[in-house]
Amino acid sequence: GQQLNQSPQSMFIQEGEDVSMNCTSSSIFNTWLWYKQDPGEGPVLLIALYKAGELTSNGRLTAQFGITRKDSFLNISASIPSDVGIYFCAGQYGTSYGKLTFGQGTILTVHP
Amino acid sequence: NAGVTQTPKFQVLKTGQSMTLQCAQDMNHEYMSWYRQDPGMGLRLIHYSVGAGITDQGEVPNGYNVSRSTTEDFPLRLLSAAPSQTSVYFCASSYFRGGSQETQYFGPGTRLLVL
Repeated sequence: GQQLNQSPQSMFIQEGEDVSMNCTSSSIFNTWLWYKQDPGEGPVLLIALYKAGELTSNGRLTAQFGITRKDSFLNISASIPSDVGIYFCAGQYGTSYGKLTFGQGTILTVHP
Repeated sequence: NAGVTQTPKFQVLKTGQSMTLQCAQDMNHEYMSWYRQDPGMGLRLIHYSVGAGITDQGEVPNGYNVSRSTTEDFPLRLLSAAPSQTSVYFCASSYFRGGSQETQYFGPGTRLLVL
């Protein structure tokens, strides 16, 4: 099946620092989604991207849909302790509706 | 709206037992999916449904059955549980923007331990 390469696998940062993570695919995606998962919870949608080149913000979070449609990145500015969690990218390609492909996740740790 | 709900939250089974994981959504979404999440493996698709009466296999369907008799409900059945099915199971439903752009919303998960 399709594979998404998400990097980095983990990050350890100080409170107040900016964070950047990205996902790449060998296939063209129609939709890129970014989720955050807290321990013991389900993934929660952060940002949805629907168009190549689209740049979307949600508070301190900014995500972009790559021009080639094969990549996306998520930035978090001025990190705070509650940003801790696992961040997943996910994409939908072709006519594979209902079948999102997920990255392996980026584990974010924020030191106060 | 309650969104996507799942029951039970936790379950312990013995090898060979059967059970059904329940999933319901109240957003009138046509598409629903089941994933399992294992450490280091991310989320893997088990089965999905594009509407009532229509289901299809995902990446890891073996050992699981699904049915979709209503738009709201999408139960996942384990016919004979195996230790390899110990995992966290997530149900999701999808909204489509413009008919083709999918956004998926997840339930809180069911944690299953098979002994």
